[in-house]
Amino acid sequence: QVQLVQSGAEVKKPGASVKVSCRVSGYTLSELSINWVRQAPGKGLEWMGGFDPVNGKKIFARKFQSRVTMTDDTSADTAYMELSSLRSEDTAMYYCATANWEYFDYWGQGTLVTVSS
Amino acid sequence: DIQMTQSPSSLSASVGDRVTITCRASQSISSHLNWYQQKPGKAPKVLIYLASSLRSGVPSRFSGSGSGTEFTLTISSLQPEDFATYFCQQSYSSRTFGQGTRVEIK
Repeated sequence: QVQLVQSGAEVKKPGASVKVSCRVSGYTLSELSINWVRQAPGKGLEWMGGFDPVNGKKIFARKFQSRVTMTDDTSADTAYMELSSLRSEDTAMYYCATANWEYFDYWGQGTLVTVSS
Repeated sequence: DIQMTQSPSSLSASVGDRVTITCRASQSISSHLNWYQQKPGKAPKVLIYLASSLRSGVPSRFSGSGSGTEFTLTISSLQPEDFATYFCQQSYSSRTFGQGTRVEIK
């Protein structure tokens, strides 16, 4: 059974960066396609990007392309998402999730990132 | 980018009611449409994939239909545990979610 465990809540100032981790178990990171989805308070789900199992590479939502970095530490079975130049609108719950050919099947518990001066 | 539009944004219903939620895509996505349920404070979970396939373990009162640009999620007889927010998501070209439909108790 796949499990995803994310790092704890973060509070950041506008203009700073945040790095969220997602440790996998039950499978190795190399066997999974990790994606990142965020949800602002009281709002809908927003896909940010991740590994696309269809074409075998990372793809990103246009909105985040210039500000997001997604990396992997396969030795630790941990994926990372770093978002830079934070603004108040980036306050949200950030989820990692595994993607298959169609849908997101396993999800982390979420990491709350608060951007406030 | 493909835009996904759900309707209604919220609805009130009673236990036992039949509920239908619609999702429209800005261009054809064939059958690459999935439905999720999210309860407060929890991560979403997938109910339906490829427009009409029920994920293992999901009750049969949930069903999906549609292709091209218009899709529906139907709950045949609403149960107390079904009060939640539902999202559609396309996987035809990268990934996009609809804005969600909140199902509340009448």
